[in-house]
Amino acid sequence: ETGVTQSPTHLIKTRGQQVTLRCSSQSGHNTVSWYQQALGQGPQFIFQYYREEENGRGNFPPRFSGLQFPNYSSELNVNALELDDSALYLCASSWGGIGEKLFFGSGTQLSVL
Amino acid sequence: DAKTTQPPSMDCAEGRAANLPCNHSTISGNEYVYWYRQIHSQGPQYIIHGLKNNETNEMASLIITEDRKSSTLILPHATLRDTAVYYCIVRVRLSETSGSRLTFGEGTQLTVNP
Repeated sequence: ETGVTQSPTHLIKTRGQQVTLRCSSQSGHNTVSWYQQALGQGPQFIFQYYREEENGRGNFPPRFSGLQFPNYSSELNVNALELDDSALYLCASSWGGIGEKLFFGSGTQLSVL
Repeated sequence: DAKTTQPPSMDCAEGRAANLPCNHSTISGNEYVYWYRQIHSQGPQYIIHGLKNNETNEMASLIITEDRKSSTLILPHATLRDTAVYYCIVRVRLSETSGSRLTFGEGTQLTVNP
């Protein structure tokens, strides 16, 4: 157990809808990252938040957005869902320092129909 | 980002050591090597990381060559539960003070056989 919890575990949406995924970080961690994992591929970095500010972003369009709250929990929002957004979405928390370890949650499986 | 190269698959007998190689010839001097593994449909699990010295923890050992262009993850006594995809990653810092991203490749599917 990593102490990182994600909700919901599974979700089904239709194309064009919006979705919000949630993540609760491990206690003491001030940094949260989101990754997308398509079937058969390794996770791809979406973005990271450090102390409520976006700290880096991967190659994802602006319809992927996020928030980090004062208690370091986080949300990933995806607007205008596309079929290709179907994937496992992973949240990882860390303390942000040199030599940090990222601890992943079990993910949210999103299916877009 | 520094690219890593791993064999797509490996087999190992239960109880024997599993040695998983990784090539990262373009690694920079201050970049760490991380290893994660992922069992089907679960989140990646942290195994170990290192900069230049060999490292050991309760799960595994990490051997980094002196030129840092390659490394080997060693599971000393593999069990059936070690069957997973193993990712070798060169971590990229996002800023001087905080945060990093992990660039996952396709990893090595390790199968431990009875």
